[in-house]
Amino acid sequence: DADVTQTPRNRITKTGKRIMLECSQTKGHDRMYWYRQDPGLGLRLIYYSFDVKDINKGEISDGYSVSRQAQAKFSLSLESAIPNQTALYFCATSGVAGTGGAGTQYFGPGTRLTVL
Amino acid sequence: GDSVTQMEGPVTLSEEAFLTINCTYTATGYPSLFWYVQYPGEGLQLLLKATKADDKGSNKGFEATYRKETTSFHLEKGSVQVSDSAVYFCALSDKGSARQLTFGSGTQLTVLP
Repeated sequence: DADVTQTPRNRITKTGKRIMLECSQTKGHDRMYWYRQDPGLGLRLIYYSFDVKDINKGEISDGYSVSRQAQAKFSLSLESAIPNQTALYFCATSGVAGTGGAGTQYFGPGTRLTVL
Repeated sequence: GDSVTQMEGPVTLSEEAFLTINCTYTATGYPSLFWYVQYPGEGLQLLLKATKADDKGSNKGFEATYRKETTSFHLEKGSVQVSDSAVYFCALSDKGSARQLTFGSGTQLTVLP
């Protein structure tokens, strides 16, 4: 089984709808991240969490919110989706220093979101 | 802030050709450096990394050396295969508590038989 899973893998929604993307991990890592990938822009950080009680905004958090329901679960919500949020979304995890090693992050397979 | 500049693609090579993908960075302090690979339809996988100056990361025939003097971490492979076709991302991580990754824009590599 994959260490980092994301659901759904693909989603098409309409402008104004609320949508949630979910991420689960079995690596036992404390740190979890949400990124979006756009062609030619690489990956950009949306939110990250060091543990259940620690949530931090990333580079492009506007229009998104997150919830860390448990150490193993980190969900991303779009409260009112808009077309420019069409992208590929990745969840990632990492351990603390000395475990995952110097910032190494482990990625899920991605969710392709299309907002019409 | 931190940034990563990566050779623009796409890059198309014939099988067994030599590969270089350039990567330079701007960062305060001494970040860790990474190459990640994304195969079609999949998430990113760590390819190799280096945590301090002059370190060489290597994996699956790929190599990259952390050059502090030129702030570079170029990816090389002596003989590419069709199965190496993927998107390659250079990234850096600060060594503070956040350990955030900053990515380059990615380079699409296509290897033709």
